[in-house]
Amino acid sequence: SQKIEQNSEALNIQEGKTATLTCNYTNYSPAYLQWYRQDPGRGPVFLLLIRENEKEKRKERLKVTFDTTLKQSLFHITASQPADSATYLCALSWNTGFQKLVFGTGTRLLVSP
Amino acid sequence: DTAVSQTPKYLVTQMGNDKSIKCEQNLGHDTMYWYKQDSKKFLKIMFSYNNKELIINETVPNRFSPKSPDKAHLNLHINSLELGDSAVYFCASSPTSGSWETQYFGPGTRLLVL
Repeated sequence: SQKIEQNSEALNIQEGKTATLTCNYTNYSPAYLQWYRQDPGRGPVFLLLIRENEKEKRKERLKVTFDTTLKQSLFHITASQPADSATYLCALSWNTGFQKLVFGTGTRLLVSP
Repeated sequence: DTAVSQTPKYLVTQMGNDKSIKCEQNLGHDTMYWYKQDSKKFLKIMFSYNNKELIINETVPNRFSPKSPDKAHLNLHINSLELGDSAVYFCASSPTSGSWETQYFGPGTRLLVL
């Protein structure tokens, strides 16, 4: 069965630095890979989507890369701020049947002032 | 204006009871979902409805029964609650059921079974 792995340990970085989060998967490459942010006590919020034929996507301080050879996506936050502290989830979907997002376990990011 | 809303926000109940969670979206989306997030924060899909029709039914005990009276509402009824049902339940919606769609999540319902 498909496995999606994200760093289970929290990532601690200093304000202003670039945070890089990893999402690794097994088996079949997804057609779409999404990143969501989840704050404590709240539902996930969509950030970025990247397609299997795209290498990189950017939105403001966020950048996502997708390497189907390595079966990996990297999520970067540049010039990180304490307000970026949250759990970040990657989610995969395939072009088979109906929309079914399979989520990774999430990585908690802590940005210190 | 709340896009996806759920009630109640918290639910504390005894084992063996029956309870319902309600979800409403005002985004005009066709597709709605129920997810369960366990204590390890793993988020897993349970059900999906498209225009009131069940399209995804994961391996969920049949004590869980979803109902969609119209495409803006998706409810979840749980019979004979068990300790292992304690979790946060999220409702979500997307414009269509296409695999490229992003999902909009509600605030979650925290269920504690004692």
